[in-house]
Amino acid sequence: GAGVSQSPRYKVAKRGQDVALRCDPISGHVSLFWYQQALGQGPEFLTYFQNEAQLDKSGLPSDRFFAERPEGSVSTLKIQRTQQEDSAVYLCASSLVIATGFSTDTQYFGPGTRLTVL
Amino acid sequence: SQKIEQNSEALNIQEGKTATLTCNYTNYSPAYLQWYRQDPGRGPVFLLLIRENEKEKRKERLKVTFDTTLKQSLFHITASQPADSATYLCALLDQTGANNLFFGTGTRLTVIP
Repeated sequence: GAGVSQSPRYKVAKRGQDVALRCDPISGHVSLFWYQQALGQGPEFLTYFQNEAQLDKSGLPSDRFFAERPEGSVSTLKIQRTQQEDSAVYLCASSLVIATGFSTDTQYFGPGTRLTVL
Repeated sequence: SQKIEQNSEALNIQEGKTATLTCNYTNYSPAYLQWYRQDPGRGPVFLLLIRENEKEKRKERLKVTFDTTLKQSLFHITASQPADSATYLCALLDQTGANNLFFGTGTRLTVIP
């Protein structure tokens, strides 16, 4: 496939469960971003990877959120002990080049994973 | 505090008219500003980018303006079509050096046939 893919597309979790969300970026894309989008809101930045290095995790809302990209391609966002306020769409985006120096490289977004915590 | 506000949650216009969407920001110094389209159940799709030193950009029926004095960007769709119905998001890259985009809340545009 040519685009960014995410799985699962929908996830329902009971409060307190751990979840893992997967992102397959476009092949060869160096930069990978995770965003959280609450209903009726714009995406909010969570974390950024350059290859396998997590260079910015300032947007992660708590230490229950953890992201990794061990081989510089596929990334996983893990949320431990989910809470109802974690319910949102989690978007992954990738871009070809390194995002420094006000890079204008286009970010390509996946379709998102809709997480509902009951 | 930092804010990015888009003029309205929803905008309805008649087919063939020009849609104008507004994005205002507070306490940011954008290196550039982008506009995205988002359809239900999908991720945002990039449309246009305008840098801080540019006044206007065009792409087919789309036009974006950027006024750093007013701290505002306007997004125009001319000769609008029902297929243009979607949510439109503005996003900016701040000059503080963070790599991430900051998004507005979006405006849901409906073009009525």
